[in-house]
Amino acid sequence: GESVGLHLPTLSVQEGDNSIINCAYSNSASDYFIWYKQESGKGPQFIIDIRSNMDKRQGQRVTVLLNKTVKHLSLQIAATQPGDSAVYFCAENPNTDKLIFGTGTRLQVFP
Amino acid sequence: GAVVSQHPSWVICKSGTSVKIECRSLDFQATTMFWYRQFPKQSLMLMATSNEGSKATYEQGVEKDKFLINHASLTLSTLTVTSAHPEDSSFYICSASMTSGGGKYFGPGTRLTVL
Repeated sequence: GESVGLHLPTLSVQEGDNSIINCAYSNSASDYFIWYKQESGKGPQFIIDIRSNMDKRQGQRVTVLLNKTVKHLSLQIAATQPGDSAVYFCAENPNTDKLIFGTGTRLQVFP
Repeated sequence: GAVVSQHPSWVICKSGTSVKIECRSLDFQATTMFWYRQFPKQSLMLMATSNEGSKATYEQGVEKDKFLINHASLTLSTLTVTSAHPEDSSFYICSASMTSGGGKYFGPGTRLTVL
């Protein structure tokens, strides 16, 4: 089966600070990666994506970094806000037609 | 952006009954749709890939006779959980893709509770 997470790691940050969420992916053949945000009881929401020919991509308040050498992906959120509180998943596309999800990280933002 | 809807958003059923969940792409044609299951505090697990007009491809360990998938049009895929049991209680989420590539757009999910 695909990746399964039994316990979600949690990142707690203060409002206004920057957040960095990390993800290790499994397949060296993966050439496309996506970060999703999932709020409780809702489906995943697309945040940002990156292809393997890039090592950095920026969006609005978010930056994704890709290190193919160590198969590591990170999501940086600038000036974290309470509305950013959610579970964040990275997903990889191993050159097939489906996505493999990571275990997820819960982001908690404190005032 | 592209919108994917699911219906119903939640359903409660008795053990042994069947439940149908619909996934629709509202403003684009989806050649491929994906069905995921998510248990509490866990990640999304891909159940099957459905392509319009052809049989679904199931992931290892997913019973194709229990989870029936139909993708009859470019905007609609259905997942039917047959003879549901309490262990089938979960959050079922679909995603849709315009082109082959994993499907960026997810539906809001359907919470299934089997009593």
